[in-house]
Amino acid sequence: AQSVSQHNHHVILSEAASLELGCNYSYGGTVNLFWYVQYPGQHLQLLLKYFSGDPLVKGIKGFEAEFIKSKFSFNLRKPSVQWSDTAEYFCAASQAAGNKLTFGGGTRVLVKP
Amino acid sequence: GAVVSQHPSWVICKSGTSVKIECRSLDFQATTMFWYRQFPKQSLMLMATSNEGSKATYEQGVEKDKFLINHASLTLSTLTVTSAHPEDSSFYICSAERGGSNQPQHFGDGTRLSIL
Repeated sequence: AQSVSQHNHHVILSEAASLELGCNYSYGGTVNLFWYVQYPGQHLQLLLKYFSGDPLVKGIKGFEAEFIKSKFSFNLRKPSVQWSDTAEYFCAASQAAGNKLTFGGGTRVLVKP
Repeated sequence: GAVVSQHPSWVICKSGTSVKIECRSLDFQATTMFWYRQFPKQSLMLMATSNEGSKATYEQGVEKDKFLINHASLTLSTLTVTSAHPEDSSFYICSAERGGSNQPQHFGDGTRLSIL
């Protein structure tokens, strides 16, 4: 069965610290990968996506993610977080031929000012 | 661009009533819309995929007769929770996808449903 797992449920860090959120997927064949963010009281927003090509993907707000096929991973990174990055982050995947998304469990990130 | 509007944002109703939730793509045509359910402190679980003009495809374990989905136009899909019971209380989220390949899903704000 297709699945997406996120390693951390909660992350607490201080402003200017670096952030890395783990995401692993279990899919056969070609896969599309996404990171979504949900700020408090808001809807899910797309941070970045990977379909093909350069495995290092740059998204909005200084986030990037690296697709490592051999590790079935798509980790999200940001070199220096801000208080406004406090949110819940969801990794998601879909088969390239289809569009049904499977979400990871989410990671709540709290950035202390 | 790519705004998805969901209405209502919160509904409280008595057990046994039916509740309709609307999902609209405001500035694009959505060939496909999705309905998710999110339990507290859990991730989104896909309930069904809805294509304009055709029957929705439900995920395993989702009751078709309980959760009626209609996708009558390229900008509107509705989810009706029929004869709702307290166990149907949840956060329901829709998303919409433009036509064409490699398009991400755009999400609505969600509807919090509370059944008394």
